[in-house]
Amino acid sequence: DIQMTQSPSSLPASLGDRVTITCRASQDIGNYLRWFQQKPGKSPRLMIYGATNLAAGVPSRFSGSRSGSDYSLTINSLESEDMAIYYCLQHNEYPFTFGSGTKLEIK
Amino acid sequence: QVTLKESGPGILQPSQTLSLTCTFSGFSLSTYGMGVGWIRQPSGKGLEWLANIWWDDDKYYNPSLKNRLTISKDTSNNQAFLKITNVDTADTATYYCARITMGIGYFDYWGQGVMVTVSS
Repeated sequence: DIQMTQSPSSLPASLGDRVTITCRASQDIGNYLRWFQQKPGKSPRLMIYGATNLAAGVPSRFSGSRSGSDYSLTINSLESEDMAIYYCLQHNEYPFTFGSGTKLEIK
Repeated sequence: QVTLKESGPGILQPSQTLSLTCTFSGFSLSTYGMGVGWIRQPSGKGLEWLANIWWDDDKYYNPSLKNRLTISKDTSNNQAFLKITNVDTADTATYYCARITMGIGYFDYWGQGVMVTVSS
């Protein structure tokens, strides 16, 4: 199975900060990487697909990037509504695997 | 408008079979390239992919559940199903179904989730 190592597990940040969350894939997954946002009591919401593409309706302060086997989600100018848990997902091969999640919280 | 909604028994006992239903609208599982996946999440923990079913009835399972899973669909009624046999307390979780569009949209729309508790 492909392991997705996500870091950090917790990220205290202030409103207006720029933050970055990273997932490292244990094998090549190409750009078959998605990022999801999950707020308490809610279903996950697709934020980024194809490693770098913004999903419909997602604010432009969110962006995705790739460097080798490292995939990153960056949020510019953090807003209160961004406080949530973020997960990456690889869907390059079965079984699909999620990262362990990053809890973004107000410092 | 795409919507999905999960339904299930709520609570069941160890060793029983869990049967889940995903009722959806806004797309069809008879359309080329469409699929539905199941994902679960124990309370306070992360997401685990369980299974996918495709328009052509192709099916994929998470081998970590050791052949306990069966995914199926009813195209006429816009439903997908997941069965998990021989459940135990580790299967207590919120179960989600989500839409898949081949090549474009893996899990782009999700249901609200259904909580399932396994307890004696």
